[in-house]
Amino acid sequence: KQEVTQIPAALSVPEGENLVLNCSFTDSAIYNLQWFRQDPGKGLTSLLLIQSSQREQTSGRLNASLDKSSGRSTLYIAASQPGDSATYLCAVSPPGFQKLVFGTGTRLLVSP
Amino acid sequence: DGGITQSPKYLFRKEGQNVTLSCEQNLNHDAMYWYRQDPGQGLRLIYYSQIVNDFQKGDIAEGYSVSREKKESFPLTVTSAQKNPTAFYLCASTIRDRSAEAFFGQGTRLTVV
Repeated sequence: KQEVTQIPAALSVPEGENLVLNCSFTDSAIYNLQWFRQDPGKGLTSLLLIQSSQREQTSGRLNASLDKSSGRSTLYIAASQPGDSATYLCAVSPPGFQKLVFGTGTRLLVSP
Repeated sequence: DGGITQSPKYLFRKEGQNVTLSCEQNLNHDAMYWYRQDPGQGLRLIYYSQIVNDFQKGDIAEGYSVSREKKESFPLTVTSAQKNPTAFYLCASTIRDRSAEAFFGQGTRLTVV
């Protein structure tokens, strides 16, 4: 059974820092990995999608990497801003029927 | 703008009541999903549908029911058989491709009163 773990559960940094969020999964047989952002009381916003054949994806100050063999993905946020404060979730799409398996998220607080 | 609309944003249910959560999408996606989110837990799949008039149980389907009469709509009914319905419910959609990107609505918070 696929399990997804995100470490740390919470992270607090001053504005301007570069930071890394971690996601690990137990079964390397995945179709893709997706990173989401969730603001309090809101839905999920898709940040980056990495296909299983890809190693990384970039969007603005965000860069996500994928290492299927080790079951790891990282989300790198450059020059963090207070507006980046949110919960970040990673999810993998395993074989079988089409669904996502989610981690429990990392709650990020960026202080001015 | 294309997207997924969930309504209502907040919903209150009395004991023994059935309530229905609405999910509508104008992305022309074939597949739609319902997830439940509880504090400290990852999202869990309730039901999914890959095509009109067909749907499948997810990991926690007990106490829930769905229908898929139109491509754009995938309503979720929380029945009185669901003993712990208080949660945040999220609807999602994708194209019918195993590696497709998922898009989510803004969620409905259901509270039992």
